[in-house]
Amino acid sequence: LAKTTQPISMDSYEGQEVNITCSHNNIATNDYITWYQQFPSQGPRFIIQGYKTKVTNEVASLFIPADRKSSTLSLPRVSLSDTAVYYCLVAPISSGSARQLTFGSGTQLTVLP
Amino acid sequence: NAGVTQTPKFRVLKTGQSMTLLCAQDMNHEYMYWYRQDPGMGLRLIHYSVGEGTTAKGEVPDGYNVSRLKKQNFLLGLESAAPSQTSVYFCASSYSIAREYEQYFGPGTRLTVT
Repeated sequence: LAKTTQPISMDSYEGQEVNITCSHNNIATNDYITWYQQFPSQGPRFIIQGYKTKVTNEVASLFIPADRKSSTLSLPRVSLSDTAVYYCLVAPISSGSARQLTFGSGTQLTVLP
Repeated sequence: NAGVTQTPKFRVLKTGQSMTLLCAQDMNHEYMYWYRQDPGMGLRLIHYSVGEGTTAKGEVPDGYNVSRLKKQNFLLGLESAAPSQTSVYFCASSYSIAREYEQYFGPGTRLTVT
């Protein structure tokens, strides 16, 4: 399984764009990159998933360079309600093995007024 | 749709007692999961199920049992609770292969074992 490394914490101000980078140097050819968000006292929430280049949805964008050894979650114009822990996961799709979905410690994003 | 619901929300057990946590989903998902989350840590998979009547071990299965008699329900049992099982337990569900990493989580059950 590809190991991921992300910053333990980040601070930002309301209205700014936030970029959280995840390193996954030993990512495999059939691995996808998935990001989750977790608010205090709640279960994680799926944000976005991608394989290469750029993926965008109504919540965030995911940038993946050609070598796929890292990925960047971009949150546009954050608000106080975006304060949460963000998890980067790397695992093969369609493996049929849920055991391979591993949550690390995540990045605690704190949005300041 | 209620999504994924968990019962109970909080529970305090004494060492050696047993209990069952109930998870229910109304999205007709094939896959269901039980995780535990300890302070300052990510989630660890306890057991999972890829369909009604099937279960499998995850990363930390010892001390837990599960059953999936109905597609919409996934039960997690603690036969003899230990203080090391004090944690927040999350249930999740997902569609089958190709979307299994888009998981929908319940609100969690906070369990304390004294």
